[in-house]
Amino acid sequence: KNEVEQSPQNLTAQEGEFITINCSYSVGISALHWLQQHPGGGIVSLFMLSSGKKKHGRLIATINIQEKHSSLHITASHPRDSAVYICAAYSGGSNYKLTFGKGTLLTVNP
Amino acid sequence: GAGVSQSPSNKVTEKGKDVELRCDPISGHTALYWYRQSLGQGLEFLIYFQGNSAPDKSGLPSDRFSAERTGGSVSTLTIQRTQQEDSAVYLCASSLGSSEPLEFFGPGTRLTVL
Repeated sequence: KNEVEQSPQNLTAQEGEFITINCSYSVGISALHWLQQHPGGGIVSLFMLSSGKKKHGRLIATINIQEKHSSLHITASHPRDSAVYICAAYSGGSNYKLTFGKGTLLTVNP
Repeated sequence: GAGVSQSPSNKVTEKGKDVELRCDPISGHTALYWYRQSLGQGLEFLIYFQGNSAPDKSGLPSDRFSAERTGGSVSTLTIQRTQQEDSAVYLCASSLGSSEPLEFFGPGTRLTVL
């Protein structure tokens, strides 16, 4: 069982819809990353958060440390949001490795 | 440059040949990471450097894989006697230090072993 689980694996939405991608983890972490990877493109770090909520434009990320759960929300989705979204857990301290979820493929249709 | 760069962007090789993949981290970033993303799979940690030292090589999938970093900057990932299962995108990332979790990723090298 992967230590970081994402859902859904695939998500198709219509332009303008509100999107939620979920991430659950079983390890203790000090921070969690949300990453975005466009088809054929590189990986961009969207958020790094260790508590509460962060917002950047139409993207909102939340984390509940007690429940070991994080969500990435996209408001007013747009076709250019189509990408793979990956959550990655960082254990911190000497545990420098990121443990990755398998990603959520989001397709936003016009 | 402003970001992490990797070369080549694409590499096609024949089974059994050796390949070298290069990563130029962001200037001043002491921590450097190599990851692999195989088709249909998630990202897989390979190796981490703090300066020129690699404290943990346990993510390397076999002894055909090796990596080095010189001058605390450029790193090279070498795969000897490539196999078809080595085909993947190899990603490099860097951060200010091992305790700094924010990582900047390179564009990756797509390796295809025929």
